[in-house]
Amino acid sequence: DIQMTQSPSSLSASVGDRVTITCRASQGIRNDLGWYQQKPGKAPKRLIYAASSLQSGVPSRFSGSGSGTEFTLTISSLQPEDFATYYCLQHNSYPPGFGQGTKVEIK
Amino acid sequence: EVQLVESGGGLIQPGGSLRLSCAASGFTVSSNYMSWVRQAPGKGLEWVSVIYSGGSTYYADSVKGRFTISRDNSKNTLYLQMNSLRAEDTAVYYCARSWVERYDFDYWGQGTLVTVSS
Repeated sequence: DIQMTQSPSSLSASVGDRVTITCRASQGIRNDLGWYQQKPGKAPKRLIYAASSLQSGVPSRFSGSGSGTEFTLTISSLQPEDFATYYCLQHNSYPPGFGQGTKVEIK
Repeated sequence: EVQLVESGGGLIQPGGSLRLSCAASGFTVSSNYMSWVRQAPGKGLEWVSVIYSGGSTYYADSVKGRFTISRDNSKNTLYLQMNSLRAEDTAVYYCARSWVERYDFDYWGQGTLVTVSS
């Protein structure tokens, strides 16, 4: 199975900060990676697909990059509604696997 | 508008059975890849099972032989039959749709909580 290592596991940031979250795959997964946002008590919501494509309706302050084994989710200017937990998901090979999550908290 | 609505969760004793449902609207379940993903309290996300448009089914090792995924095309509904439940199956269960790539989940339901406890 492909292991997804997400870092950091949590971070504290202020409104307006630039935030970067990283996912590393244990083997190459091309660009078969998505990023999801989950707020407490809610279902995950896809932000990014194919590593760098922005889901329709998602603010442009979210961006994704990377290919192969290293991927990044960037929030260019953190907004109050962005405080949540973020997960990456590899869907290159079976079984699909999620990163452990990154909780973004208010500083 | 795509919508997924899960139901059927609840409190069940270890060794018991439960069937979850996921009613879909805005698209056809049988034309997509449909998965169940779960999240134990305070933990991360874990893929559980998938049914392909052609009917093939696959399961995570943790539930293989105990859970069965199925669908009713006439009701446009996805199911998860869960047998021999264990405490470690306690989680919120989400159904999720994939349209192009098998496990690239674009829409999720709101989830239903399954608690396995005596």
